[in-house]
Amino acid sequence: NAGVTQTPKFRVLKTGQSMTLLCAQDMNHEYMYWYRQDPGMGLRLIHYSVGEGTTAKGEVPDGYNVSRLKKQNFLLGLESAAPSQTSVYFCASSYWVASNYGYTFGSGTRLTVV
Amino acid sequence: AQSVTQLDSQVPVFEEAPVELRCNYSSSVSVYLFWYVQYPNQGLQLLLKYLSGSTLVKGINGFEAEFNKSQTSFHLRKPSVHISDTAEYFCAVSVSNFGNEKLTFGTGTRLTIIP
Repeated sequence: NAGVTQTPKFRVLKTGQSMTLLCAQDMNHEYMYWYRQDPGMGLRLIHYSVGEGTTAKGEVPDGYNVSRLKKQNFLLGLESAAPSQTSVYFCASSYWVASNYGYTFGSGTRLTVV
Repeated sequence: AQSVTQLDSQVPVFEEAPVELRCNYSSSVSVYLFWYVQYPNQGLQLLLKYLSGSTLVKGINGFEAEFNKSQTSFHLRKPSVHISDTAEYFCAVSVSNFGNEKLTFGTGTRLTIIP
């Protein structure tokens, strides 16, 4: 099925460990985004990409890095995980087709840092 | 930069009663507006969106919202709620710069339906 796929769905990390979250979309969308969701704070933008090979900082970029080496993939990295990065992470891509505009979200990755 | 305010963090409503979830935005340019619903332990589902045209937008599950430019609001309404509407609702805005702009979310409103 077409859409945005996030892997893994769940992960527990120890403080200081590193990991990469993968987001893959098969809709040929140019723009992709990483958000984190925390209770009472809604979704906040971490990083985004406006095309292959480009990335930009969002609202809460500290402690994260991203890469967009291929148009269909957007990777979110945590170099040294901290308990404050315990969150649910959502990837999204956006489209603009024939005056129709919207976003497609992945199902989320629940990350716990202990 | 744009911002979204959802003043009500929690809204309890009796089953079959009407509900309004409030959303106000701030932006110096024209915007696109969205409402998403998130059921427990699930992802985001689009309820409805306003891009242009009629200011009254109808969405899924009997929800509708009205774009009010003068009051910079995009309140969500449903005339009669059901237990299955229990969820968290997010209002979001992006600037209408030919699309493909980052989405800014409100902090969410938790709707609880009381039997």
